[in-house]
Amino acid sequence: DVKVTQSSRYLVKRTGEKVFLECVQDMDHENMFWYRQDPGLGLRLIYFSYDVKMKEKGDIPEGYSVSREKKERFSLILESASTNQTSMYLCASMAFGRTEAFFGQGTRLTVV
Amino acid sequence: AQSVTQLGSHVSVSEGALVLLRCNYSSSVPPYLFWYVQYPNQGLQLLLKYTTGATLVKGINGFEAEFKKSETSFHLTKPSAHMSDAAEYFCAVSGQNAGGTSYGKLTFGQGTILTVHP
Repeated sequence: DVKVTQSSRYLVKRTGEKVFLECVQDMDHENMFWYRQDPGLGLRLIYFSYDVKMKEKGDIPEGYSVSREKKERFSLILESASTNQTSMYLCASMAFGRTEAFFGQGTRLTVV
Repeated sequence: AQSVTQLGSHVSVSEGALVLLRCNYSSSVPPYLFWYVQYPNQGLQLLLKYTTGATLVKGINGFEAEFKKSETSFHLTKPSAHMSDAAEYFCAVSGQNAGGTSYGKLTFGQGTILTVHP
């Protein structure tokens, strides 16, 4: 089975901190994604990557950046955390040319 | 551009009753359509998907959905609800590129929370 692992289930950070959310997949997938989930808004795409060191902005990239130095790892970075970034963050991976995305368990981030 | 609208943020049914969760989409290219389920404090799990071919697709746990191009709909049904079906359900769409493969990016609806009463 494909496994997508997010490093933390719960995080509490202070306003202004730099925050790193880590995601690792074990199936050699080319595509990786970061989504943000908020009640009533569904999931919204923050960034995605289709290859090492390649990235593209999603629908809500403001306040975020990403890093993909190795194929299996995709990091989401909050440069200066703000309270409006309190949310559930979901990582997903997908093989190139395929249709099914595999999701991690999510990281619930609270910024205080 | 793509978008998904799920009608009804909350649906409540009795155990054994029909489950119907509604999803309408818009897409400028032929769509791939998906239903995902999320149980509390978990990630998303794929229930079923439509890519090409038969418009009635069957998924896990007795769910099925029908792609209706003329209505731009992809409603999810299950004949008889079970308590274990209580969860949040998301409809999603992705686009096909010229080669018929998926772009990969999913656009999600707002989600529908399904409650099942004994």
